[in-house]
This record gives sequence, structure tokens and C-alpha cells, in this order.
Amino acid sequence: AQSVTQLGSHVSVSEGALVLLRCNYSSSVPPYLFWYVQYPNQGLQLLLKYTSAATLVKGINGFEAEFKKSETSFHLTKPSAHMSDAAEYFCAVSDNNAGNMLTFGGGTRLMVKP
Amino acid sequence: GAGVSQSPSNKVTEKGKDVELRCDPISGHTALYWYRQSLGQGLEFLIYFQGNSAPDKSGLPSDRFSAERTGGSVSTLTIQRTQQEDSAVYLCASRGQGTNEQFFGPGTRLTVL
Repeated sequence: AQSVTQLGSHVSVSEGALVLLRCNYSSSVPPYLFWYVQYPNQGLQLLLKYTSAATLVKGINGFEAEFKKSETSFHLTKPSAHMSDAAEYFCAVSDNNAGNMLTFGGGTRLMVKP
Repeated sequence: GAGVSQSPSNKVTEKGKDVELRCDPISGHTALYWYRQSLGQGLEFLIYFQGNSAPDKSGLPSDRFSAERTGGSVSTLTIQRTQQEDSAVYLCASRGQGTNEQFFGPGTRLTVL
């Protein structure tokens, strides 16, 4: 069974500050890991994904995440927050051997202060 | 190109009524998923279709929930005898063959009064 834990249901940063959203996973097989963003009243948009290639993954909108197997983590970072980054972020894991259905973390709502 | 579309965008129904939610996946995508997003349960998998194979229904919460996919394209999620706890946003996603990225639709917000 797979699971995902996102530490911090709410994170608040100032505009221009570092964004760090934490994700830890549990998986019995090599995982595929994803970060999705959800803006209000919209569906999920893929930010980036890890699929066993480079451990540092760059995504859209200046976000990146690093896969650390020893820590079972896949934290999302952005060097400088922008007001438009305010949204809910979901970390997810999928099992390529089980249809690729996604198991999501509980989500982290990012607030950006001017 | 067109993304995943879902209809209706909002649905308000009375407890005990049946509802149908529709998903149009990206053309050519062989895999289709339904997820539910609710305040209490977060985002949870419901059902998965892959080509002509039997669907994986392991995430359906009760036998009031069912889904079908006609012609390997459009899918309908049906909830019978709706309950207030069924109130949620129902998200559909599709995935192309040989990839692991799912593309999500905007969702249907279901409110059961």
C-alpha cells in the first residue's frame, strides 16, 4: 500500500520568500511521484513529476522538487514566492504496477503575503 | 487541443435522488480515472478504466456508486439514492498509453441537500 503525508495543511510566506512544501511518501515499489496545484474552483494541474530519472526535477512556474530515497521525501520548493502562487498543492504517488492510480496527500494551502 | 471536460460543473440534488456525472477524456487516451475530493476525506480514488479491460472498482465507497465507459471514450459516474455525505467535487482524469501523467478535468461539484 502506498501513502503520502504532507506536513502542514497551511503554509504562509511573504512575497519573494522561499517556498518549501513538504511531502513524505511510503511505497513498497519504486514510486512515481507528482506535485499538482489546484487554483480555486479549478481542476488539478501537474507541476512536476519524478519517474526514476534525475532526482532533482524542475517543473512549471519556477518550482522544483528533489527525490530523496533515504528520507522518502519529495519536497517542493521555489526560491521566490509570487502572489500568483497562492493555491493548494497536492503531492501524489502512483504505482506503475497497479494502473497508475494516484494516492494523494492531504494538500497544503499556500498563502502569499504582500 | 481540448483537455478533459466534465459536465455538469455544478449539480444540486435532493437526498435520495440519482445523479449522473459525465467525463469526456482527451481524445486517444486509453486510461480514465474518477476521483472524489471532499473536505473530510481529501482526494480519493474511485474507479479506473483501461482500454477494454474490466474496470478497477476498488475505490468505490458503496454499491450506490457505479461507472461505465462507452466505446472507450466518454464515462458516466452514477450515484444512486444520493446521501448528504456524497457531497463533494468529483474529478475525472485521463492518461495516454505509455505515459504516467494524468490530466484532470475541472470537476463536478455535487451538493446533496
